[in-house]
Amino acid sequence: DAMVIQNPRYQVTQFGKPVTLSCSQTLNHNVMYWYQQKSSQAPKLLFHYYDKDFNNEADTPDNFQSRRPNTSFCFLDIRSPGLGDAAMYLCATSKAGGTSYGYTFGSGTRLTVV
Amino acid sequence: AQSVTQLGSHVSVSEGALVLLRCNYSSSVPPYLFWYVQYPNQGLQLLLKYTSAATLVKGINGFEAEFKKSETSFHLTKPSAHMSDAAEYFCAVSYYTDKLIFGTGTRLQVFP
Repeated sequence: DAMVIQNPRYQVTQFGKPVTLSCSQTLNHNVMYWYQQKSSQAPKLLFHYYDKDFNNEADTPDNFQSRRPNTSFCFLDIRSPGLGDAAMYLCATSKAGGTSYGYTFGSGTRLTVV
Repeated sequence: AQSVTQLGSHVSVSEGALVLLRCNYSSSVPPYLFWYVQYPNQGLQLLLKYTSAATLVKGINGFEAEFKKSETSFHLTKPSAHMSDAAEYFCAVSYYTDKLIFGTGTRLQVFP
């Protein structure tokens, strides 16, 4: 089945140690998104790629970076994780041209910072 | 600013009772509207969507939602709650861009 896969499901990292989360999709969707979701809160959009065009949200900290080497893969890099970055990170995809189809989400990566 | 509001951060119902989760959007132009469900430690799963076709939309797991332009609402309902419906529910809107705007979520508890 076509899907969005996030690895790993659970990630523990040390304070200040760079960490990379990965997302892959078999849907061939043009748009890929990264969301941060803290406990009992709505998902917060960090950035998204429309094909290779990167779109950063204005309030996304510089500590967060992203790469999309090809259509199928997208990575979230946290350069120096702080305790406040502990959260669920959700990857999603959609077809281009507006979101009438909705998003397809991965199962998420829960990041713990120790 | 365009937004979506979910009334009630927690809703509790008995098994077999009606489920009603409220969602209101803020714009004069009807957006695309979505309901997502999130189970613990999982991603979000699309329940149903409104994209300017039928105003009564049926989704998965017996849920449905009715778009009411006059009330700028898109409330989610299910006639009879099941224990497996316990989860977090998010209403979301899209104003014809590539971005979804999420509400703050409603946690549904179902008691036996």
